Order: sequence, then C-alpha cells, then structure tokens
Amino acid sequence: NAGVTQTPKFQVLKTGQSMTLQCAQDMNHEYMSWYRQDPGMGLRLIHYSVGAGITDQGEVPNGYNVSRSTTEDFPLRLLSAAPSQTSVYFCASSYSPWEAYEQYFGPGTRLTVT
Amino acid sequence: GENVEQHPSTLSVQEGDSAVIKCTYSDSASNYFPWYKQELGKRPQLIIDIRSNVGEKKDQRIAVTLNKTAKHFSLHITETQPEDSAVYFCAASIKDNDMRFGAGTRLTVKP
Repeated sequence: NAGVTQTPKFQVLKTGQSMTLQCAQDMNHEYMSWYRQDPGMGLRLIHYSVGAGITDQGEVPNGYNVSRSTTEDFPLRLLSAAPSQTSVYFCASSYSPWEAYEQYFGPGTRLTVT
Repeated sequence: GENVEQHPSTLSVQEGDSAVIKCTYSDSASNYFPWYKQELGKRPQLIIDIRSNVGEKKDQRIAVTLNKTAKHFSLHITETQPEDSAVYFCAASIKDNDMRFGAGTRLTVKP
C-alpha cells in the first residue's frame, strides 16, 4: 500500500493564482482531512470529509475549497492564492469518520505564495 | 471549540535522561488524546495515544498519562536517545472531525 500520497511536493504561486493540491489514499478510509502547518502553530484543520459526497469546514477554511467524489481522492483548491497561504499542507486519512482513530498523514506539500 | 496548549515549546535533555511534555485541553467532552512525532522535513506519525477511559498507557520507553479532572495529559520518554530528537505534537479530539493540535515541542537529545 502507498498509504496517503500528495502532489506536488513543492509549489510556488503568484498572488491571485489558483491551484489544486492532490491527495489520495489506498487504505479505504472514510475520513480524510486537510491541515496546514505554520511555524509555532501546530497543525490546523482546513476541511474534512467523512465520506464520498460529504465535506465540512474545519478551523481555518477561508480561501480553500474541497470536494470528495470518490473514497480515494480529496483535492484541496486554492481559489485566489494570498501570501498568508504560504504554508506546508498535509492531507490525512483515518479509518472511522465517527470515532477518533490514528490519522495517517501524507508527505506534505510546501506552498509559497509570492 | 477545543483549545489545546502544549509546554514547553523547546526541550533539551542529555542522552539517557527523561523528557516530559505536557498538554492541557479545554473541552471536557474530549475523549481521544494522540501524540505525534515529526522529524525534520517529514510527516507527523503517531507514537502513542490514549482514550479517556484509561489513565496511563506505556509502549517501551514511551508513556502517556491522562488526568481528566484537571484536563491535562503528558508524554514521558525515558532513556532518551539522539533519534528521539524531533518535534512532538499533542492533540485532543471529541470525534475524528474535531482534532485540535498543540503548537508542538522541539525536543533535542544531546549525545
């Protein structure tokens, strides 16, 4: 199993550009989520999904959209990039959407917005 | 929502000594408390977790204790080794979709 995969690993955007960060998992996990990691602030939840067709907002959702058309994929879209979105983005998945279990993280995408 | 505070932000110990990292949480309904280790440039990985119906859990050199009354939990690493150097994150969750992380502790183990 590949686990949780993310592409790209690095990305540089100009202010106002849009892009999609890809995330996929092959563990048949129902729960998937996106976090951003900034120095000194831990991991903050952006959006999550408890199954195909179901998404919801986390702690810091503004400026991001998500969709979940399949169990495997959970892309994160930046609509109009801003320098404040410079961060490392981690996708994660977990076995159960209804009870807290270990979250498996992808390798991360380092995004810089200039 | 849940708020998790973690202390200290940095910790330096001599190889072989013990290290303790503490976290407090605000929501008494939280029932799952994982600890993640993140090495430089790598993804966070679970090292130990505990549920609210248990007071202590051990896994070799690592242990976690939970005090539900005081709403705090701690990570204990004994006989530290240089490979324990990393950033450690605590988290608290009511359910899977409400996982809140602490700001992290950078642990340095000096040989």
